[in-house]
Amino acid sequence: DAGVTQSPTHLIKTRGQQVTLRCSPKSGHDTVSWYQQALGQGPQFIFQYYEEEERQRGNFPDRFSGHQFPNYSSELNVNALLLGDSALYLCASSWRLASGGVRTDTQYFGPGTRLTVL
Amino acid sequence: QQPVQSPQAVILREGEDAVINCSSSKALYSVHWYRQKHGEAPVFLMILLKGGEQKGHEKISASFNEKKQQSSLYLTASQLSYSGTYFCGTKVDDKIIFGKGTRLHILP
Repeated sequence: DAGVTQSPTHLIKTRGQQVTLRCSPKSGHDTVSWYQQALGQGPQFIFQYYEEEERQRGNFPDRFSGHQFPNYSSELNVNALLLGDSALYLCASSWRLASGGVRTDTQYFGPGTRLTVL
Repeated sequence: QQPVQSPQAVILREGEDAVINCSSSKALYSVHWYRQKHGEAPVFLMILLKGGEQKGHEKISASFNEKKQQSSLYLTASQLSYSGTYFCGTKVDDKIIFGKGTRLHILP
C-alpha cells in the first residue's frame, strides 16, 4: 500500500518565479491538505482540497493556490516567490468518511518538498 | 488558535519518562499527536476524540482533558528511537492547527 508521495524532493528557485508541487494521496484517501513548515516550526496549514474544491484555507496570500484532480492527487502552486517562501512543503492525506460512516481526521504526511528561494 | 506546547525541549537519558503538554485557549474537539524526526515527515501517533479518552501506542500514551482544554503525551521508559520533535494538533473549523513542537532528545 503506497503512502503519500510528493514530488519533487528538492527545488531551488529565484525570487519572482513560480513553482508547482505535486502530491499523490495514500490509497483510499480523498482529501488532501497542504502545509508549510519553516525551520524549527510546526506545520502551518495552507489549504485543504476535497472533491476537487478548496474547502478550508489558512492565513496565506492568494499567491498560494492549488488544485485537486479526479484521481484525488493535488498540486500546490506558488506565484511570485519570496525569500520567505523557503520551507518544507508537506502534503497530508485523509479520508472524510471511513467505510462505517464514521468521520475521521487522521492525516498521513508525505515526505515533503524542500523549497529554497534565492 | 495555535495550541501551546510545553516544554519546548526535553533532554532525557534512555529509560527515563517524559510528559509533553498541549493546551488551547479555545475548546478542543480532538487532539492529534505526531512525531517528526529530523529531515523526515511527521508520523501519526494517535488521535483523541473526546474528553477523558486515553490511548496508548507502545510505551507512548496520551490523555485528553476536555474541560481543561489540554492533552498530555506520556513517554514511558524512553528509547533512543523516541528522539524527535513532537507536535500536537487541534481541529479548528475542519482544519488541523499544529503547535510549535517539543524537541525530545534521548541520550544513551
